[in-house]
Amino acid sequence: GESVGLHLPTLSVQEGDNSIINCAYSNSASDYFIWYKQESGKGPQFIIDIRSNMDKRQGQRVTVLLNKTVKHLSLQIAATQPGDSAVYFCAEMGNTDKLIFGTGTRLQVFP
Amino acid sequence: DTEVTQTPKHLVMGMTNKKSLKCEQHMGHRAMYWYKQKAKKPPELMFVYSYEKLSINESVPSRFSPECPNSSLLNLHLHALQPEDSALYLCASSQGGRARLFFGSGTQLSVL
Repeated sequence: GESVGLHLPTLSVQEGDNSIINCAYSNSASDYFIWYKQESGKGPQFIIDIRSNMDKRQGQRVTVLLNKTVKHLSLQIAATQPGDSAVYFCAEMGNTDKLIFGTGTRLQVFP
Repeated sequence: DTEVTQTPKHLVMGMTNKKSLKCEQHMGHRAMYWYKQKAKKPPELMFVYSYEKLSINESVPSRFSPECPNSSLLNLHLHALQPEDSALYLCASSQGGRARLFFGSGTQLSVL
């Protein structure tokens, strides 16, 4: 389930299930979006990106969906594994070099 | 080489100290970034350098002073910091434009 407030929103999934992490972005001028994974004590690690002329892009076990009408982005992880446990951030960029991060979601994978 | 290297990994400093954080990349990237990240929060943009020139300063206090000596190196000079400046400082680089950022592992800074 999910919880919000003083803590990071958290998504708990069972190993082997699919995970869906959602993100709402704020700037309608943003046209490039990235998903990052961050493990404890490490810097953000690139997962997948998408440009605004696309609405779906697939990688290895991951899919990003973009809905520009409602300014919504999602990351789908297939067959979630314990190694997927981390904090996931969406980030947006417009016509500058400025990359702005969303609030993040903690993904917990249990056996 | 797709790495961004940051040193030191950990730093403890007093409020009267002067210290520097260092960042290096050898990917030929023309844009380099400093971000600040507090616990359980997203990274917050501080500075962007493009072609070794400061292009974005997100209203960062002057006690943080960035420097880009060449296209591979980025420094962040720290002076008279406050305890609330304690955070993870992340460096990143990119080809510029709509391109992914590559992040280093960060420097965990504690100000006493």
